[in-house]
Amino acid sequence: GDSVTQMEGPVTLSEEAFLTINCTYTATGYPSLFWYVQYPGEGLQLLLKATKADDKGSNKGFEATYRKETTSFHLEKGSVQVSDSAVYFCALSGDNYGQNFVFGPGTRLSVLP
Amino acid sequence: EAQVTQNPRYLITVTGKKLTVTCSQNMNHEYMSWYRQDPGLGLRQIYYSMNVEVTDKGDVPEGYKVSRKEKRNFPLILESPSPNQTSLYFCASAVPRDNEQFFGPGTRLTVL
Repeated sequence: GDSVTQMEGPVTLSEEAFLTINCTYTATGYPSLFWYVQYPGEGLQLLLKATKADDKGSNKGFEATYRKETTSFHLEKGSVQVSDSAVYFCALSGDNYGQNFVFGPGTRLSVLP
Repeated sequence: EAQVTQNPRYLITVTGKKLTVTCSQNMNHEYMSWYRQDPGLGLRQIYYSMNVEVTDKGDVPEGYKVSRKEKRNFPLILESPSPNQTSLYFCASAVPRDNEQFFGPGTRLTVL
């Protein structure tokens, strides 16, 4: 079945450092790909998404590009802030929406001032 | 304000005592879903519903029931909770095919 693999962390960075969180996936067909963020004590929020190959999703300085050839959707940010400290989940939605919405294990990011 | 609400937010119970976690959304979404979140496992889907009276199993449905009698509500029922159901539970809703799910704040359940 479909699956998502991501680096589990925790990842600890200093403020203004460059961030990469790797995500790779296995899926049949043409899934949509997502990054969700979970701040402490809250539910998940959509951070960005891409629905087809070579699409780039971006939001709040974060970016990720849908790479079908490497089945990857790595999350990047050029300069992280303390307020970016959270857990980040990579996810995919397969062709049959709802029946295979799959999340990765999550990566905890801590940004130190 | 558009939102998904869950109640209770925290619950401690004992093995075998039936419980219900409520979920309600005010966005008129057809699709609703329940997940559990466990360390190192990410979110795993328990049940989902594509519309009123239409429900189906996700990846980990054992020990859970759901119902969808109204569009806005999607309660999660544990008929006989066991300690392995101790987890953080999230409800979510979406417009089908829109590919963005809106999540509730979570319910932390402890079964002793």
